Amino acid sequence: DQQVKQNSPSLSVQEGRISILNCDYTNSMFDYFLWYKKYPAEGPTFLISISSIKDKNEDGRFTVFLNKSAKHLSLHIVPSQPGDSAVYFCAARMKTSYDKVIFGPGTSLSVIP
Amino acid sequence: EAGVAQSPRYKIIEKRQSVAFWCNPISGHATLYWYQQILGQGPKLLIQFQNNGVVDDSQLPKDRFSAERLKGVDSTLKIQPAKLEDSAVYLCASSLRQGADYGYTFGSGTRLTVV
Repeated sequence: DQQVKQNSPSLSVQEGRISILNCDYTNSMFDYFLWYKKYPAEGPTFLISISSIKDKNEDGRFTVFLNKSAKHLSLHIVPSQPGDSAVYFCAARMKTSYDKVIFGPGTSLSVIP
Repeated sequence: EAGVAQSPRYKIIEKRQSVAFWCNPISGHATLYWYQQILGQGPKLLIQFQNNGVVDDSQLPKDRFSAERLKGVDSTLKIQPAKLEDSAVYLCASSLRQGADYGYTFGSGTRLTVV
């Protein structure tokens, strides 16, 4: 049962253009969403997050949009740079007596110079 | 600030053998997580510690996997006996407090290959 889905395994974008990475979730109990970036042979690093009470969060070139009614979020990278080439994981938190974070399968982004 | 340290970086073992991974979290981080990442999939939580107590081990295959966090600092994850499907990257992460909004810091992982 995949509660966090990233339906595009890979994405290629020209340098300078916008990269849009999509994520869908099924559980309405999720209240906090995160994006992690992973380079080969390294652990994931935190990129940006958004609370379910917001619909947008921006940090420099990175913006995350949340559409709760559609259970969909997206990460926009503008402008894309070759150093952004990595695997991007969408993650969602369910808060019970403790945080339970579930990761999606990831999207591999290639930014072509 | 030193990051999350994991060792070894790589391990190749035969099926039915045992293996252990070690993790040293960031100093002062109370919460420690072990994740399993199979190729092409996202990280899956195996076990979460708060200090030296287990918060969640619902996805840990307890017939073969075990983990401990002595004195609330370092942690070890053991597999005994290993199966082919255990081939994966094992990631350790830590956070200052229990809560996704505090952010997790991941180590570089241990890549396990079971042959």
